[in-house]
Amino acid sequence: NAGVTQTPKFQVLKTGQSMTLQCAQDMNHEYMSWYRQDPGMGLRLIHYSVGAGITDQGEVPNGYNVSRSTTEDFPLRLLSAAPSQTSVYFCASSYSYRVGEKLFFGSGTQLSVL
Amino acid sequence: AQTVTQSQPEMSVQEAETVTLSCTYDTSESDYYLFWYKQPPSRQMILVIRQEAYKQQNATENRFSVNFQKAAKSFSLKISDSQLGDAAMYFCAYRRDFGNEKLTFGTGTRLTIIP
Repeated sequence: NAGVTQTPKFQVLKTGQSMTLQCAQDMNHEYMSWYRQDPGMGLRLIHYSVGAGITDQGEVPNGYNVSRSTTEDFPLRLLSAAPSQTSVYFCASSYSYRVGEKLFFGSGTQLSVL
Repeated sequence: AQTVTQSQPEMSVQEAETVTLSCTYDTSESDYYLFWYKQPPSRQMILVIRQEAYKQQNATENRFSVNFQKAAKSFSLKISDSQLGDAAMYFCAYRRDFGNEKLTFGTGTRLTIIP
């Protein structure tokens, strides 16, 4: 079982560059989300989706775009990278958006913006 | 706004001993869920245990159990018979029981197991 797959695992960008972090799950999960993890802080929600074609903003959405054209994929786009976006990014999914559902996490993407 | 506080940045325990990690939270809601997630060096977040606020009985999962004190807004994690594989960052998290899809995380506790 692949679970939640994130690519790439590491990425270095220059300020102003754009890129897409990929996330795919093979568990037919309705709910997918993106978090960022910064030193000394807990994970913070960037964007989430409760199904194909439906996305919404989380706690820290500025500078990021998402789309959900299929159930399996939920890419995160950085429009114009900034040093403040240096972080570890996690994609997570669950069977549904019910509150108590277990979240399955990918192994993260470590992003550095110079 | 909901907040989750983990006041112990680092903890250590002798292998086979018991350790308790602390977590407090602030909310005005009566219905919510609480979680403990483990993040080993591989970086992947793994659910350890979850507690529904309306359940008075403390959740247990094998060697992991919680002490849920709703009035005190406290949610500690007890690890019994600590093993080397338990070494990780542990995050406490909160989620409201409606609407908002956000998990609010604490800042984490790094647990070291001493052989």
